[in-house]
Amino acid sequence: DSGVTQTPKHLITATGQRVTLRCSPRSGDLSVYWYQQSLDQGLQFLIQYYNGEERAKGNILERFSAQQFPDLHSELNLSSLELGDSALYFCASSSSPGSPLHFGNGTRLTVT
Amino acid sequence: GESVGLHLPTLSVQEGDNSIINCAYSNSASDYFIWYKQESGKGPQFIIDIRSNMDKRQGQRVTVLLNKTVKHLSLQIAATQPGDSAVYFCAENIEAAGNKLTFGGGTRVLVKP
Repeated sequence: DSGVTQTPKHLITATGQRVTLRCSPRSGDLSVYWYQQSLDQGLQFLIQYYNGEERAKGNILERFSAQQFPDLHSELNLSSLELGDSALYFCASSSSPGSPLHFGNGTRLTVT
Repeated sequence: GESVGLHLPTLSVQEGDNSIINCAYSNSASDYFIWYKQESGKGPQFIIDIRSNMDKRQGQRVTVLLNKTVKHLSLQIAATQPGDSAVYFCAENIEAAGNKLTFGGGTRVLVKP
């Protein structure tokens, strides 16, 4: 068990809808990262937060947004969903930037 | 279980043999490397890491080798066991670029009994 908790485990929704994925980092970790894993593209970095502030951005679509709250949990918001957004979304946390990431077990999003 | 990905290179290994998984990285400025193991239905699990000022690091049954000259990283698993069957990813990090960890495409390891 990595100590990173993601909810929900599975999410099925229709195109055009909006969903929120939630992540609780390991106790004491200040950095949170979001990754997307789809069958044809592997693990793609989306965005990173450190102690509530955005630190780095990857190939995150404008339809997607995230935030990290004062209690350090993070949410990834996906809107105007398209079929191609179907993927596994992973959250990871680390004690500081540059230290190993510890991943949750992901949220499987299916857009129909 | 969940399928991690299609068209992954696959390494078939006999139980008890040693496994070697290779990874080529792209950026000579990368200063930190990590190997992850991903089992079906789970998130990537940290195995071992190595900083760019080292060329070898050993853990329990695993060894990571780093060749900065040719930008190559390898993971050696000794006495491979059925529980080692998984997809293995290397990841590179560039501190100067904001510590954004970039993952390679992954290698599937199948351990044959």
